[in-house]
Amino acid sequence: EVELVESGGNLVQPGGSLRLSCAVSGFTFGNFWMSWVRQAPGRGLEWVANIKHDGRETNYVDSVKGRFTISRDNGKNSLSLQMNSLRADDTAVYYCTRDYRGTFDYWGQGTLVTVSS
Amino acid sequence: EILLTQSPGTLSLSPGERATLSCRASQSINNNYLAWFQQKPGQAPRLLIYAASSRATGIPDRFSGSGSGADFTLTISRLEPEDFAVYYCQQYGKSPRTFGQGARVEIK
Repeated sequence: EVELVESGGNLVQPGGSLRLSCAVSGFTFGNFWMSWVRQAPGRGLEWVANIKHDGRETNYVDSVKGRFTISRDNGKNSLSLQMNSLRADDTAVYYCTRDYRGTFDYWGQGTLVTVSS
Repeated sequence: EILLTQSPGTLSLSPGERATLSCRASQSINNNYLAWFQQKPGQAPRLLIYAASSRATGIPDRFSGSGSGADFTLTISRLEPEDFAVYYCQQYGKSPRTFGQGARVEIK
């Protein structure tokens, strides 16, 4: 059974940093691109970043470029998102997802990041 | 980036009725790379349809997708009680991948 479990969400002050993690099981992690998708409270969905199966290529939505870094450890079946210079509009539930033909076929349960003073 | 506009915003129907949701893109989507998701309160989205008309694994055949270019439709042939939820379209024909604003199917 495919399982993605996020962790690391928390309340953080504007300008602060946070690192999200996603533990993956149930499929060969190193064969798939992975993404982070976020959803602001009561709002729609926004793709944030993705990373190639070997970690050698990454992509970001413009609003997080230079502030967020996606990474992976295929030996530990783990995906991460390092978030720096956080802003109030980064407040959201962050989902770890598996890329499938360009879309997202498996999702974690999400972890809440709240940026507020 | 490609903007996706979903309509109607809310659809009020009874179980057993047919639901038709629209997703219109600001430009043509390459290769009809359009997906549909269902999201229930407190849950992660679930992939229903990819490549405009292909059902994802385990999705009942009452869900169908159609369309091409910039106009796409999700149809639920006969609503079951568990189908009342919010539905999102998503394009992956051009980076960045973008989502529609969502459409709610509620019980009438």
